[in-house]
Formats: sequence, structure tokens, C-alpha cells
Amino acid sequence: QSVLTQPPSVSGAPGQRVTISCTGSSSNIGAGYDVHWYQHLPGTAPKLLIYDNTNRPSGVPDRFSVSKSATSASLAISGLQAEDEADYYCQSYDRSLSNYVFGTGTKVTVL
Amino acid sequence: EVQLVQSGAEVKKPGESLKISCKGSGYSFATYWIGWVRQMPGKGLEWMGIIYPDDSDTIYSPSFQGQVTISADKSITTAYLQWSSLKASDTAIYFCARLRGARYYYYMDVWGKGTTVTVSS
Repeated sequence: QSVLTQPPSVSGAPGQRVTISCTGSSSNIGAGYDVHWYQHLPGTAPKLLIYDNTNRPSGVPDRFSVSKSATSASLAISGLQAEDEADYYCQSYDRSLSNYVFGTGTKVTVL
Repeated sequence: EVQLVQSGAEVKKPGESLKISCKGSGYSFATYWIGWVRQMPGKGLEWMGIIYPDDSDTIYSPSFQGQVTISADKSITTAYLQWSSLKASDTAIYFCARLRGARYYYYMDVWGKGTTVTVSS
């Protein structure tokens, strides 16, 4: 089990806003290591969604926003669209494990 | 266009060896770290290890140290992931990806489409 915990699933109707949490500890997010986010549609290559806590690569819509607190981070998707249905992962570094880690992953379902 | 093209699906028997590849193009392959990520059936992403093709400096995730070998040949812009003796539990999709950022802050900005490895007797 990963040291970055995400809810297994979240869902929302088209147009709604959903939030995905990524809960860590003082060994990773709380130690100041950056959080990055990925979107993964099964059967395809994962896609970088957010890097260095807050930055969106070119082409990622601003419907995707992030926030960060002491030992956790959150990804919000506003104006939910059918194409947002995918798995989402946070990623950071953990100094206790001396390793990079992915979150447990969250499946977003558009109702 | 920056691309990582992975080798095709493999079906192997337990105990067999395997080497899968990841060919980079469209950028200076030698000077970007490449990482490998495992996704077991129905599970999430796992960080396996990374390699710097220019000098083959390799850092393994503790869970994968000794279980796989990561290598690279910068002359043909290709990274590899290999097993000497496969187990059924190695059945998974394996992704390669290019790393950006600084040490302890790496993220993966370009990904291959994945190689499905099936190990079954």
C-alpha cells in the first residue's frame, strides 16, 4: 500500500465539480516535496496533468486545479466532462522510503 | 515530437528471461532520466526505478532492487527493463517515461504506451 492515500473513487454529474485528495505525511508532502498529478485512461499512456504542485502542462485545461496543505494535496476537476472519466494518481518523493511514490489512485466516474 | 515507443506484448513462461525496450526520439535522449513504472492487473502505478542514459546511473526502488535490471544504450536511444527469471507475479503492464525536474522532485512528462507482459505456464 502506498504512503500517499487517495479515495478509491469519486463521481459526479457532467458540469459538476469533484475533488480528489492525496493524503501523505511529514516524510513526503509534509517534508516539502512537490506533488504531481497524472490522468490515466486504461489502455493508454498516463498523461501528466499537474507538475511541481501547481503547474499545468500546455494543453491541460484550467478546469483542473490543485491545492496543497501541510501533508496533503487535492486535485479539483470543475465542469466535469465525459472525457474526464479516468484514473488519477498523485506522485511525490518519500524520504523515509528513499523513493518516489505514486498515490493509491482514484477512479473518476462521470454519471 | 517527443516520443517513447515501447516494444510489443510478451507472453512468457515462469523461469524464462525477458528484456523489453523503450526507444526515445525527438529529444536529447542521453540527458534525460528515464523511469519504469509497473501496473499490475487491476492495481495502481508503482515506481520501479530510473536510469540516466548518458552514464547509465541507475536508481532502483527498494521493492524492485534485485528483481529487475534497468539499462540503456544511448547510441540507439533505447532503455531496457529485463528479468532473468520471470514469475507469474511479474504479469503486468510496464510503462517507460521521461523524467523532468530535479532530484527528489522528478515527475514524468512523456510516457510510452506500455508493454503488457504475461507470465503463465
